[in-house]
Amino acid sequence: GAGVSQSPSNKVTEKGKDVELRCDPISGHTALYWYRQSLGQGLEFLIYFQGNSAPDKSGLPSDRFSAERTGGSVSTLTIQRTQQEDSAVYLCASSLSGGQGAFSYNEQFFGPGTRLTVL
Amino acid sequence: KNQVEQSPQSLIILEGKNCTLQCNYTVSPFSNLRWYKQDTGRGPVSLTIMTFSENTKSNGRYTATLDADTKQSSLHITASQLSDSASYICVVSGKAAGNKLTFGGGTRVLVKP
Repeated sequence: GAGVSQSPSNKVTEKGKDVELRCDPISGHTALYWYRQSLGQGLEFLIYFQGNSAPDKSGLPSDRFSAERTGGSVSTLTIQRTQQEDSAVYLCASSLSGGQGAFSYNEQFFGPGTRLTVL
Repeated sequence: KNQVEQSPQSLIILEGKNCTLQCNYTVSPFSNLRWYKQDTGRGPVSLTIMTFSENTKSNGRYTATLDADTKQSSLHITASQLSDSASYICVVSGKAAGNKLTFGGGTRVLVKP
């Protein structure tokens, strides 16, 4: 079946503009994650959705960042008033389930990412 | 603070040769450790996943080892191929809520003919 897809693949925007990044997880996956990968850096956790539970937003770097997941499927990451330091690749991943214990073994499948460049 | 350190940062090897990548972590309590391969411009793809009770796991020419006592893991690539050129990322999952992963900075491998 289809993997995780993200759009757009590339986004160039001007400083101060808002951007929306989209993630389509694998069908049936209840857990969805957003990560940020800056040039030469490791992946940085941003936010995690699990089913209908309140999302774990502990990784969001500022209140300019927000994300929602409608209908338990597609997710949108929004960055308001973009800054140059927001330039990075934004990766989305999904898994069958998240959580603790045995479920934490579930593999996360990553999308190809959206490369965001803020001029 | 949970950390995952990888070494070396980068590596150049000749096609057909073997190499070993290292990963040290401080994540506790520990749930599992994963190695991902990330080709340029692509998302990471899982190579192996190991729990604390597993010492070694293979996936083709990739073999991962885990020593949960010393909190060390290695990824061995046998008979390297040009297609092995990529970043290899060590990722550790703790038992804290949310299955949050701690990512290493990766080792960039370049295989030359």
